[in-house]
Amino acid sequence: DAGITQSPRHKVTETGTPVTLRCHQTENHRYMYWYRQDPGHGLRLIHYSYGVKDTDKGEVSDGYSVSRSKTEDFLLTLESATSSQTSVYFCAISESQGAGNSPLHFGNGTRLTVT
Amino acid sequence: AQSVTQLDSQVPVFEEAPVELRCNYSSSVSVYLFWYVQYPNQGLQLLLKYLSGSTLVKGINGFEAEFNKSQTSFHLRKPSVHISDTAEYFCAVSDRGATNKLIFGTGTLLAVQP
Repeated sequence: DAGITQSPRHKVTETGTPVTLRCHQTENHRYMYWYRQDPGHGLRLIHYSYGVKDTDKGEVSDGYSVSRSKTEDFLLTLESATSSQTSVYFCAISESQGAGNSPLHFGNGTRLTVT
Repeated sequence: AQSVTQLDSQVPVFEEAPVELRCNYSSSVSVYLFWYVQYPNQGLQLLLKYLSGSTLVKGINGFEAEFNKSQTSFHLRKPSVHISDTAEYFCAVSDRGATNKLIFGTGTLLAVQP
């Protein structure tokens, strides 16, 4: 398995509180991604990073921000959590940009519940 | 923009029976196609991928998929399933540009019964 660690693995938080999820990789891959997984929706891309301090939005970025100050860490922040952000969050990494030559490797996910 | 449709949310099958999980995609450009598998409480793992060339692609654990451009399909098959194949299977598509942003289907739960 690719060296990807997500923390925490489980979190319960209250509506309106800030939450930060961490993804740490030991593969020195340039590209990192945050997806959320919801029943009936599959996985949807939130944000991704193509290098230190270089990030861009995915298809469901509203309410989320990210930061990447080091190659190995990619943080996902919910500034003010809402119940609609209850989900399982997956981090993924890839060595290069092209999907054909560099498939995604996923972490084991963080289950977030917003009450 | 691309999209992926997995019409079957669940597929129950008996052990040692064959199975086919259906995937159809929509795209105005040439694409790469993927199947990922997710075992309980784990992340996704790449099962197989179609980039170009032979339309029949073989993956891990005895799975294979066939790319059909005219029907815009990429169905996943296994001739004989095991209990251990019980998992959720996701079809995904990516354009052939300089991105690795996959569009995933909604997933199909393969439930293998003894």
